[in-house]
Amino acid sequence: DGGITQSPKYLFRKEGQNVTLSCEQNLNHDAMYWYRQDPGQGLRLIYYSQIVNDFQKGDIAEGYSVSREKKESFPLTVTSAQKNPTAFYLCASSNPGQVQETQYFGPGTRLLVL
Amino acid sequence: AQSVTQPDIHITVSEGASLELRCNYSYGATPYLFWYVQSPGQGLQLLLKYFSGDTLVQGIKGFEAEFKRSQSSFNLRKPSVHWSDAAEYFCAVGYTGTASKLTFGTGTRLQVTL
Repeated sequence: DGGITQSPKYLFRKEGQNVTLSCEQNLNHDAMYWYRQDPGQGLRLIYYSQIVNDFQKGDIAEGYSVSREKKESFPLTVTSAQKNPTAFYLCASSNPGQVQETQYFGPGTRLLVL
Repeated sequence: AQSVTQPDIHITVSEGASLELRCNYSYGATPYLFWYVQSPGQGLQLLLKYFSGDTLVQGIKGFEAEFKRSQSSFNLRKPSVHWSDAAEYFCAVGYTGTASKLTFGTGTRLQVTL
């Protein structure tokens, strides 16, 4: 089945630690996205990538980093500079230029701070 | 900048009753509009989308939405709600020409009473 997988489902971060969230898609989509979801705030865009080896900052990129070395993978690193990382993180993908381009979402990773 | 408003944070309806969730957007050009649904701890599932053409759009699970340009609205409706519809619903708007960057509303949590 085609889709988006995110791992792990739950992730715990210690003070001063960097952690990496995985996102993989087999939909053959060119674009991938990372969103942060906090209660009552909807989804906010962290980073997005429309093609391999290229990515752009979203609205809340500070304290996060990404890479896009392969079309199917778009890992997100939450660095120690992100002072309030506890949130639900959602990865999405789409095919820019496709008629009725639509973003499809993975199941999410919940990050908690120890 | 574009924005999306979902004025109702929480709505409770009885099973079998009709439902309307409100969504208003602020954007100068023709928007691309989406409704997504999220069950607790899960990712977002696309319910329906509007790009152009017929302003009444049918989606999955018996949902429909109507685009009203004069009111800058894209309200979601269902004639008869089922207990399994209890979830959080998000409206989102994309730029004309691309849905690669979406702005989300803050969501409406739907509770269904038996």
